[in-house]
Amino acid sequence: GESVGLHLPTLSVQEGDNSIINCAYSNSASDYFIWYKQESGKGPQFIIDIRSNMDKRQGQRVTVLLNKTVKHLSLQIAATQPGDSAVYFCAEGGSSNTGKLIFGQGTTLQVKP
Amino acid sequence: DAGVTQSPTHLIKTRGQQVTLRCSPKSGHDTVSWYQQALGQGPQFIFQYYEEEERQRGNFPDRFSGHQFPNYSSELNVNALLLGDSALYLCASSLTGTGMCTFGSGTRLTVV
Repeated sequence: GESVGLHLPTLSVQEGDNSIINCAYSNSASDYFIWYKQESGKGPQFIIDIRSNMDKRQGQRVTVLLNKTVKHLSLQIAATQPGDSAVYFCAEGGSSNTGKLIFGQGTTLQVKP
Repeated sequence: DAGVTQSPTHLIKTRGQQVTLRCSPKSGHDTVSWYQQALGQGPQFIFQYYEEEERQRGNFPDRFSGHQFPNYSSELNVNALLLGDSALYLCASSLTGTGMCTFGSGTRLTVV
């Protein structure tokens, strides 16, 4: 069946360091992936997305890497700030762009001042 | 530009009761999806509405039903509530064909 998983439930980093959050997916036919950030009491907030015809995509302080060979993607956050503390989810958008997302269980990022 | 709005923000219901949750999509979006998020878990897809019809459905029982109105807003109905239905219910909207969803802040449902 389809599943999306994250490698670590909690990641603790020092303010100013770079953070790397990993995610594995199982559906090799998926062609769209999104990273969301969820703060306590709020809904998931879009961070960055990537399509399967790309290996890397950069945003403001964030980079997503996609390795289709091993079905793995990662989110890199540069110069992590206290405001980055949240739960991060990768979501798989399947192969049909229908808006149905399959989420992993999330990684909690804790930023130490 | 308002994003996705959901109401109510919190709700307490008794086992066996019925509940209706509401969602207004982001301006310009025509597709609404509903997700259930249990504590400490990722959101789970319930179903999706497009052109006032259910287009996709996840692995949820028939007690979960929905509706989409001509203005694209949507309702989620849950009948015969169980304690296990306690969760954060998220509404997400998108423009069909784009895949990228914008989420609301959710409705926290507690069943006692």
